[in-house]
Amino acid sequence: QVQLQESGPGLVKPSQTLSLTCTVSGGSISSGSYYWSWIRQPAGKGLEWIGRIYTSGSTNYNPSLKSRVTISVDTSKNQFSLKLSSVTAADTAVYYCARDRENWNGERAFDIWGQGTMVTVSS
Amino acid sequence: EIVLTQSPGTLSLSPGERATLSCRASQSVSSSYLAWYQQKPGQAPRLLIYGASSRATGIPDRFSGSGSGTDFTLTISRLEPEDFAVYYCQQYGSSPRLYTFGQGTKLEIK
Repeated sequence: QVQLQESGPGLVKPSQTLSLTCTVSGGSISSGSYYWSWIRQPAGKGLEWIGRIYTSGSTNYNPSLKSRVTISVDTSKNQFSLKLSSVTAADTAVYYCARDRENWNGERAFDIWGQGTMVTVSS
Repeated sequence: EIVLTQSPGTLSLSPGERATLSCRASQSVSSSYLAWYQQKPGQAPRLLIYGASSRATGIPDRFSGSGSGTDFTLTISRLEPEDFAVYYCQQYGSSPRLYTFGQGTKLEIK
C-alpha cells in the first residue's frame, strides 16, 4: 500500500527557507489521478492547507502563503517537495504531506497522510 | 474563501452514547468536496468520510456523515473508547482552488 514519509530539517532560522521532502513508497507518484499536498498544523491548533502539485507540475497554493511557497515534484525519485521562504516563528508547525484523491464520482479528499514532521523556526 | 465553523468546540460524552458533530459553511459547499477526519494525539489525521456521506476504507459503520449545502453532520452512533479524539471537517473550493478545514471538535470522555 502507498505510504508517505516527510523528511527535512527540524530547525530553521528566521528569514531562511524551510525545505521538506515527501517520499512516496508502495506505488508510483505518477500513477492515477492524484494531487499531492502539503498541510501544516501549529501545536495545539487546527490544520492549514499549504498547496498541492500534480505530477505534470501543475500547482495550486493557499493564497495566504502563495508569495512564499514553492512545491515541486521529482517523479524519478517518487518525491515531492515544499519550500517556504522568509520563515518566521509563525511557521513553526508539524508539516504533513498527503495524497489528494478524486474518485470516479468526483469526490475528493486526503486519503493518505504522512506521519508528519515537526519544524521549529528559531535562531 | 469558504469558512467552516464546527460546533461544539468540545463534546463530553460517555462510551455507548451517540455523538453528533456539526460543520457549517459560510457559503454552499459541494457535497462531493466535503470530508471528515479524525485525529488522535501525536498522529496524523485519518480520513473518515468523503463526499459528505461515504465512509473511507476500513471505517466502522458506526460513523456516518450527512448534510448538504451549508450544513453537514458527522454522527457516531455508539461511542467506543477509541473514538475520543479531535474531528475536523474539510472542504475543497474550485474557485479559488483552495482547501479549508474547520477548527475542530474535541470529543472527550465524560
